[in-house]
Amino acid sequence: EIVMTQSPTILSVSPGDGATLSCRASQSVTTNLAWYQQKPGQAPRLLIHGASIRATGVPDRFSGSGSGTEFTLTISSLQSEDFAIYYCQQFHNWPPYTFGQGTKLEIK
Amino acid sequence: EVQLVESGGGLVKPGGSLRLSCAASGLMFRTQNMNWVRQAPGKGLEWVSSITNDASYIHYADSVKGRFTISRDNAKNALYLQMNSLRAEDTAVYYCVRESGSFDIWGQGTMVSVSS
Repeated sequence: EIVMTQSPTILSVSPGDGATLSCRASQSVTTNLAWYQQKPGQAPRLLIHGASIRATGVPDRFSGSGSGTEFTLTISSLQSEDFAIYYCQQFHNWPPYTFGQGTKLEIK
Repeated sequence: EVQLVESGGGLVKPGGSLRLSCAASGLMFRTQNMNWVRQAPGKGLEWVSSITNDASYIHYADSVKGRFTISRDNAKNALYLQMNSLRAEDTAVYYCVRESGSFDIWGQGTMVSVSS
């Protein structure tokens, strides 16, 4: 089973600033990685697939990068609606599909 | 509009059973691979089970293997999760999810609580 580890657990950032979230896989997942955003009381929403491809309707302030075992989700110029929990997930070697434990992006 | 709507959640005693349903609309359901993902209160996401479009391949997380059964009825555009021998640790919101290279469409979830 591939273990996904996200860091940091909590990230405090001021609106208008940028944020960088990290995700590490215990073995290579090539670019078979997705990022999701989840707000309280809502289902997760797909942001990025294929490590760097924005899903339909996702603002271009969200960008994903990385391959192999190291991945990054970058959010430029944070808006109020961006404060949420973010999860990464690998699709390379399954079952099981595995998620990271999440990074909570909170307002500083 | 593409929509997945779960139902069937509720409160059940340990050892009990529950059947979740997911009604799909706005997509060609019979061509879609589907999954169940759960989220315990205050916790992260856990993949539970997957089923290919024609039910030829089915997989389960180790935590539910032998207790849960995924199935689908393509004529009714419906996905199911039969949950038996429920435990307290199965308490979670259960999401129905379409897989298309990633988990791109999610239902709103249905809450399952296992408690005496």
